[in-house]
Amino acid sequence: KQEVTQIPAALSVPEGENLVLNCSFTDSAIYNLQWFRQDPGKGLTSLLLIQSSQREQTSGRLNASLDKSSGRSTLYIAASQPGDSATYLCAVKPENTGGFKTIFGAGTRLFVKA
Amino acid sequence: EAQVTQNPRYLITVTGKKLTVTCSQNMNHEYMSWYRQDPGLGLRQIYYSMNVEVTDKGDVPEGYKVSRKEKRNFPLILESPSPNQTSLYFCASSFDSGVTDTQYFGPGTRLTVL
Repeated sequence: KQEVTQIPAALSVPEGENLVLNCSFTDSAIYNLQWFRQDPGKGLTSLLLIQSSQREQTSGRLNASLDKSSGRSTLYIAASQPGDSATYLCAVKPENTGGFKTIFGAGTRLFVKA
Repeated sequence: EAQVTQNPRYLITVTGKKLTVTCSQNMNHEYMSWYRQDPGLGLRQIYYSMNVEVTDKGDVPEGYKVSRKEKRNFPLILESPSPNQTSLYFCASSFDSGVTDTQYFGPGTRLTVL
């Protein structure tokens, strides 16, 4: 059964620092991996989606990589800002569910200090 | 504005009193899904729907029902709520379940069952 793990569970960094959030999954047979941001009291916002055939995706200061064979993904945030403070979740779509199911990690809570 | 709406946003109820949480999307999406989020466990999928009148179980369907009579609506029904269903619930939708499709999330419904 597919399991998704995110380490660390929480992270506090000073403003301006570059940082990496980690996501690992147990079964490499996935359709895609997606990174979300969750702000308190709000829903999830999609940040980046990486298809299984892709190695990375970039959007502004964010870069997500995918190594399917090792079951790992990283979300790189450059020049962090206090506005980046949120919980970041990764999620995979397993191939054996036809793309209909999504498995989430528990998230990394990020705090960027001004 | 393209969005997923949920009602109510907050609900306190008592054990055994039937309730319905509504979800509606205005993007003509075929795929819709319900998740619950509990501390330390991330989001877990309850039910999903591939299209009108087509639904299937996610990973934690016990104690829940859903229906999809119209494309835009996907209500979550708790026929006899119990305290272990106290949680934060999210509805999501996407164009379909394809490898490139991003899920859009509602703002969440915080349910407390006493």
